[in-house]
Amino acid sequence: GENVEQHPSTLSVQEGDSAVIKCTYSDSASNYFPWYKQELGKRPQLIIDIRSNVGEKKDQRIAVTLNKTAKHFSLHITETQPEDSAVYFCAARSDTGRRALTFGSGTRLQVQP
Amino acid sequence: GAVVSQHPSRVICKSGTSVKIECRSLDFQATTMFWYRQFPKQSLMLMATSNEGSKATYEQGVEKDKFLINHASLTLSTLTVTSAHPEDSSFYICSARDPGGISQQYFGPGTRLTVT
Repeated sequence: GENVEQHPSTLSVQEGDSAVIKCTYSDSASNYFPWYKQELGKRPQLIIDIRSNVGEKKDQRIAVTLNKTAKHFSLHITETQPEDSAVYFCAARSDTGRRALTFGSGTRLQVQP
Repeated sequence: GAVVSQHPSRVICKSGTSVKIECRSLDFQATTMFWYRQFPKQSLMLMATSNEGSKATYEQGVEKDKFLINHASLTLSTLTVTSAHPEDSSFYICSARDPGGISQQYFGPGTRLTVT
């Protein structure tokens, strides 16, 4: 099955700096890669996603890049703000089989004011 | 976006009892729902895939007789934790795919289960 690895596990940045979180996946059939933000005790919130036919997608301060050949995808947050502090999860899914998301281990992002 | 509800949000039960958690898709019909478990400071781990009108598909290591899943309608899936033990204490989250949508899965708000 799919295996998703995520790094780093914790990330501390100064307000205004950029943050980058990286993930790798193992199943070449995966073609959908969402990123979620989760606050303590809450459900994961989708912040951006990308499909395998696209190499990059941007939404304001958030961008995701995908290298399908290397099976890498990354989340980039620019101009970080204290309210960006949360746990971020990457995930991967294929459109075959059970079509369930496989999550990375998570990154705890702390933005220092 | 689509809405998925989950009930109860919190439950405390005694060891040996059973607890039922409901997951509902409120504005779309979901032929497939997923149940995840999340231990503190850990990731979401898929427990099982719930299929409307058929048996659930369980992930390796998840006991199907302990975690009973019923998906009797296109808008409701239930997870029953039978003979709960303290190690079953966790955050249980369901999600549903909108078959009319492109890719997105919608998550319920989660259920915090504490077994004493």
